[in-house]
Amino acid sequence: DTVLTQSPALAVSLGQRVTISCRASKSVSTYMHWYQQKSGQQPKLLIYSASNLESGVPSRFSGSGSGTDFTLTIDPVEADDIANYYCQQSNELPYTFGAGTKLELK
Amino acid sequence: EVKLVESGGGLVQPGRSLKLSCAASGFSFNDYWMGWVRQAPGKGLEWIGEINQDSSTINYTPSLKDKFTISRDNAQNTLYLQMSKLGSEDTAIYYCARPLGAWDYWGQGVMVTVSS
Repeated sequence: DTVLTQSPALAVSLGQRVTISCRASKSVSTYMHWYQQKSGQQPKLLIYSASNLESGVPSRFSGSGSGTDFTLTIDPVEADDIANYYCQQSNELPYTFGAGTKLELK
Repeated sequence: EVKLVESGGGLVQPGRSLKLSCAASGFSFNDYWMGWVRQAPGKGLEWIGEINQDSSTINYTPSLKDKFTISRDNAQNTLYLQMSKLGSEDTAIYYCARPLGAWDYWGQGVMVTVSS
């Protein structure tokens, strides 16, 4: 299985730029996607295929990377962005999720 | 508007079976793959599997392949997840979603609690 590794948590200040990383145990090309999940809600797609912004998602979100290393950037961070963020690969079955990064306020 | 509404969850005893449903609306259901993801309390997301448009291809995560069965009824615009031999480790919120590579639409989820 392709294992996706994310940092468990990141502390940020409002208005800052933050990057959330996701490293794959093998190349996934650009078949990497990012989701935001707020407490008590279902996940929401933010970025698909590494760098494509999902319709309706604010432009302060962006994604980059290919192969094994990917980043989700939020610039600037707003209060509404405090949530858990998950990466997911769809390059190889079984499709897997990272364990998630919890974005917290400093 | 795309809507996915799960149902059928609840409290179930260990070793028993349960079947979840997901009613889809707002899009042409029979044109899309559909799938299931679960999330144990306080944990991350786990991909369960996906089914293609005519049910000829169904992919599962290997650890659940012998316990869970995904099916669909295109006439009823409904996706199903049949779960058997349930254990405490299957306690989770179960989400149905629409995979287009990335999963662009998700239901609100249904809670399944396995306990005696």
